[in-house]
Amino acid sequence: DTAVSQTPKYLVTQMGNDKSIKCEQNLGHDTMYWYKQDSKKFLKIMFSYNNKELIINETVPNRFSPKSPDKAHLNLHINSLELGDSAVYFCASSQQAGDEQYFGPGTRLTVT
Amino acid sequence: EDQVTQSPEALRLQEGESSSLNCSYTVSGLRGLFWYRQDPGKGPEFLFTLYSAGEEKEKERLKATLTKKESFLHITAPKPEDSATYLCAVQAWETSGSRLTFGEGTQLTVNP
Repeated sequence: DTAVSQTPKYLVTQMGNDKSIKCEQNLGHDTMYWYKQDSKKFLKIMFSYNNKELIINETVPNRFSPKSPDKAHLNLHINSLELGDSAVYFCASSQQAGDEQYFGPGTRLTVT
Repeated sequence: EDQVTQSPEALRLQEGESSSLNCSYTVSGLRGLFWYRQDPGKGPEFLFTLYSAGEEKEKERLKATLTKKESFLHITAPKPEDSATYLCAVQAWETSGSRLTFGEGTQLTVNP
């Protein structure tokens, strides 16, 4: 069984489009995260939710909006995609805030 | 602002040639230091958490150590399957959230 899963794995889209990435964890964890990994492989946190409550909201453009319908899901919606949004986006989860985080396989977003 | 610097950026070893990776950090109150392994095209895989200076943890050929300013990941008699990018991250005590601040990683290649 996959612990943290993301869909889609690859996403190719044009500038200006709106897209969503979905994340699900079956670990029973309370906290979920979104990270962005750029072309230099640098991982940077974007958002974190604990029990569906937003607890981390880094300096990210308003075009990015996370949504947590329940504890097991955290989706990322991106409006008006730009070339600079091209990156790999990782979802992660932890039992509680502060515990080790378990990452999903990533979604490679390419904006043309 | 929390900072993590990893060195070297890349390391090539022969199978069986032991070595160490370095992670230097500055953080306002360390809650935990995390080591992850990332294979190409995959999400980071959790290896260790260290919480206080002097702490050591081992897993197979890997041993992680922690001081007040840096952490080392020692690799003893590495094998080709140890080839990966090793990421270090720190977590600070905060009133809310649990962001991980990552370094840029050390890309390890072990040649047979």
